[in-house]
Amino acid sequence: KAGVTQTPRYLIKTRGQQVTLSCSPISGHRSVSWYQQTPGQGLQFLFEYFSETQRNKGNFPGRFSGRQFSNSRSEMNVSTLELGDSALYLCASSAGLVSTGGTDTQYFGPGTRLTVL
Amino acid sequence: SQQGEEDPQALSIQEGENATMNCSYKTSINNLQWYRQNSGRGLVHLILIRSNEREKHSGRLRVTLDTSKKSSSLLITASRAADTASYFCATPSTGFQKLVFGTGTRLLVSP
Repeated sequence: KAGVTQTPRYLIKTRGQQVTLSCSPISGHRSVSWYQQTPGQGLQFLFEYFSETQRNKGNFPGRFSGRQFSNSRSEMNVSTLELGDSALYLCASSAGLVSTGGTDTQYFGPGTRLTVL
Repeated sequence: SQQGEEDPQALSIQEGENATMNCSYKTSINNLQWYRQNSGRGLVHLILIRSNEREKHSGRLRVTLDTSKKSSSLLITASRAADTASYFCATPSTGFQKLVFGTGTRLLVSP
């Protein structure tokens, strides 16, 4: 099986711009989660989608949004970029069948490194 | 905030030695996962241990879980230079599929 793919791998943007990141999960997986990793805050959960519905959301401002398509591919969007949004953005896919308060094994993509100047 | 705290923050050993990393967490869990991350890259899933398991093995990896102490350990035996990476424990949080990660242990294995 092909793994989780993320595009692009690297992005450089300036403050105030917006950015869209893409994630293709493992075939057959219906859950896609997004995480932000920074040196200061570590790995932080952004949101999770399952069958095109957002089921869970982390503590991030509304500038961070996402969506999932019928083929389970997911995109996340960050609007009005700030310097502090510079980070490695990771997506993870899983079967998503474990009920609330639990997790399946999650498989991560290589990440998108976003630099905001 | 992070659920897990890992100890030590950094560990430097020689090839062939064993490496032990510890993770403590705060709330009751139904499973705990360990991940490896090579510098600036994605996370690689190593092992998932369920709350009713006390020990689990995978190749050179041995994971223990003590739910009474809310702690887990990852042992890598006969380490290799290729094991150099950061290791994270992760536990489920409220809601669907949300993992809360520890602060990580940076392991350096010297040839």
